[in-house]
Amino acid sequence: GESVGLHLPTLSVQEGDNSIINCAYSNSASDYFIWYKQESGKGPQFIIDIRSNMDKRQGQRVTVLLNKTVKHLSLQIAATQPGDSAVYFCAEEDSSYKLIFGSGTRLLVRP
Amino acid sequence: GAGVSQTPSNKVTEKGKYVELRCDPISGHTALYWYRQSLGQGPEFLIYFQGTGAADDSGLPNDRFFAVRPEGSVSTLKIQRTERGDSAVYLCASSLDPTRLNEQFFGPGTRLTVL
Repeated sequence: GESVGLHLPTLSVQEGDNSIINCAYSNSASDYFIWYKQESGKGPQFIIDIRSNMDKRQGQRVTVLLNKTVKHLSLQIAATQPGDSAVYFCAEEDSSYKLIFGSGTRLLVRP
Repeated sequence: GAGVSQTPSNKVTEKGKYVELRCDPISGHTALYWYRQSLGQGPEFLIYFQGTGAADDSGLPNDRFFAVRPEGSVSTLKIQRTERGDSAVYLCASSLDPTRLNEQFFGPGTRLTVL
């Protein structure tokens, strides 16, 4: 499959460690955010979402943190596994049911 | 339950040619989206349909790009007079309705290469 991107920022972690992926968003009026995982040759896959009335939301092994003051999102992955290797995108909803994606971070998990 | 499918998976064409990219959404999904993803970038919104009509086409870059969804199911993205800068992966996604952004399911994309 095609590589999603050759010049993305890359985070390399040891298997079993925790990963933190960061994202800055642009619109202070955005009130809904999604994290996506994209593997090579595939479309983005939903991981977790958060609304602006929350600052933290947890899923299975993943946590999203939202800091509206500095317009910053982070995705934390606990006990990172080889299957977590992918490109991760944050996306914000604009005013009319559209998603605006960030530029992505490649996560590499070392065995 | 099939997911969103896109054909062809790869398309190589020459500058100036016309291309059509097809998207088969999940059955019953009324909302359908097209995105373009350039190398090293996140997906960029192009257009979305609610049923047969284009609800928002503000992301189409110019009038060489056009999309249709005549029966409210399959959609075709059409690009006229292709340019090298059109080379990208074109992603399609569908959802039950446009308010369910977290339930947008993406297809694998069509990689378009314009020589």
